[in-house]
Amino acid sequence: DGGITQSPKYLFRKEGQNVTLSCEQNLNHDAMYWYRQDPGQGLRLIYYSQIVNDFQKGDIAEGYSVSREKKESFPLTVTSAQKNPTAFYLCASSMEGRTGELFFGEGSRLTVL
Amino acid sequence: AQSVAQPEDQVNVAEGNPLTVKCTYSVSGNPYLFWYVQYPNRGLQFLLKYITGDNLVKGSYGFEAEFNKSQTSFHLKKPSALVSDSALYFCAVRDFLLGQNFVFGPGTRLSVLP
Repeated sequence: DGGITQSPKYLFRKEGQNVTLSCEQNLNHDAMYWYRQDPGQGLRLIYYSQIVNDFQKGDIAEGYSVSREKKESFPLTVTSAQKNPTAFYLCASSMEGRTGELFFGEGSRLTVL
Repeated sequence: AQSVAQPEDQVNVAEGNPLTVKCTYSVSGNPYLFWYVQYPNRGLQFLLKYITGDNLVKGSYGFEAEFNKSQTSFHLKKPSALVSDSALYFCAVRDFLLGQNFVFGPGTRLSVLP
């Protein structure tokens, strides 16, 4: 079945370590997104990509990095520069165009020990 | 700038009663509006969207939403609530002129009591 796969589901990290969250989609969507979810704050956009080898910063990009080498894949690296990385991270994709809705993965919960 | 407000953090309703989850928005141009539902530790699931046309939009699981341009609202409704509808609901807007980025409201937690 088509969809978005995020891994790992749960991840623990020590302070000062970088960690990479995986996001793969087989929906043939052009656009992909990373959101961060904190309790009571809704979803905040970290990075998005509309096409391979191109991506733009969202509202809270500091301390994060991404790559888009393949249409299907959009990994997110949470670097040691991110001051408060403990959160629920959601990857999403959408069809090209303005009317398409977002399709979400199941999320990755990162906890910094 | 575009924004979305969900004025109620929590909505409680008895099973079998109608439910309403409120959403108001602010955009520069014509809005594209969306509702999503999230169950604990899961991703968001798409319920319905308004792009243009009929102000009453029907979606998944018996949900519907009414677009009201004069009140800049897009309230989610269901005629008869189920206990399984208990979840976190997000309203989102996408500006017609800006196009690309979705803006989400803070979410409303719906509890349907048996």
